[in-house]
Amino acid sequence: KAGVTQTPRYLIKTRGQQVTLSCSPISGHRSVSWYQQTPGQGLQFLFEYFSETQRNKGNFPGRFSGRQFSNSRSEMNVSTLELGDSALYLCASSLVGQGAEKLFFGSGTQLSVL
Amino acid sequence: AQKITQTQPGMFVQEKEAVTLDCTYDTSDQSYGLFWYKQPSSGEMIFLIYQGSYDEQNATEGRYSLNFQKARKSANLVISASQLGDSAMYFCAMREVGLNTNAGKSTFGDGTTLTVKP
Repeated sequence: KAGVTQTPRYLIKTRGQQVTLSCSPISGHRSVSWYQQTPGQGLQFLFEYFSETQRNKGNFPGRFSGRQFSNSRSEMNVSTLELGDSALYLCASSLVGQGAEKLFFGSGTQLSVL
Repeated sequence: AQKITQTQPGMFVQEKEAVTLDCTYDTSDQSYGLFWYKQPSSGEMIFLIYQGSYDEQNATEGRYSLNFQKARKSANLVISASQLGDSAMYFCAMREVGLNTNAGKSTFGDGTTLTVKP
């Protein structure tokens, strides 16, 4: 069974640009969540999607958005990039995103904003 | 609001010895789950072990065990017989259990970097 796939693995952007990151969950998983990981802030929850609906959102500005498609693949978009957006963005999937379900993570997208 | 605290930024352990990584949590939820994940230098987070708030016995998974003390709100990870491949960052996390408005959200601690010495 293929794992969680995130693309691209690395991205370099400049301030003011926008970026789209992609995440393909494990087959059959309907919950996809996104996390931002930085050395100073640790892992911060961005949002979670289940069956194409955003169920939960973290404390991030509106520049951060996402969506989920009918095949459960998810994308997150960051507009008007700032230097502070430089981070490792991790995507995780699980069957329904509740209870005792463990998360399966992708390898992440390392975003550098210059 | 949920909060996870990992007070050890870095830990060293000799190969083949046991090590305990600390985790304390704060929540007003009655039903919750506690998780430990390992993050090697490659970046991918790997699930290690799970403990439910109503589980009476401490969870074990191979060389990993979770020392759960509910009254003290602590969920420490114990790794026995450390191996060089255990060198990584370790994260404690929690999530509400059951149908609720926090579905899909996990709260993570800042992590502990473990270095295993040969």
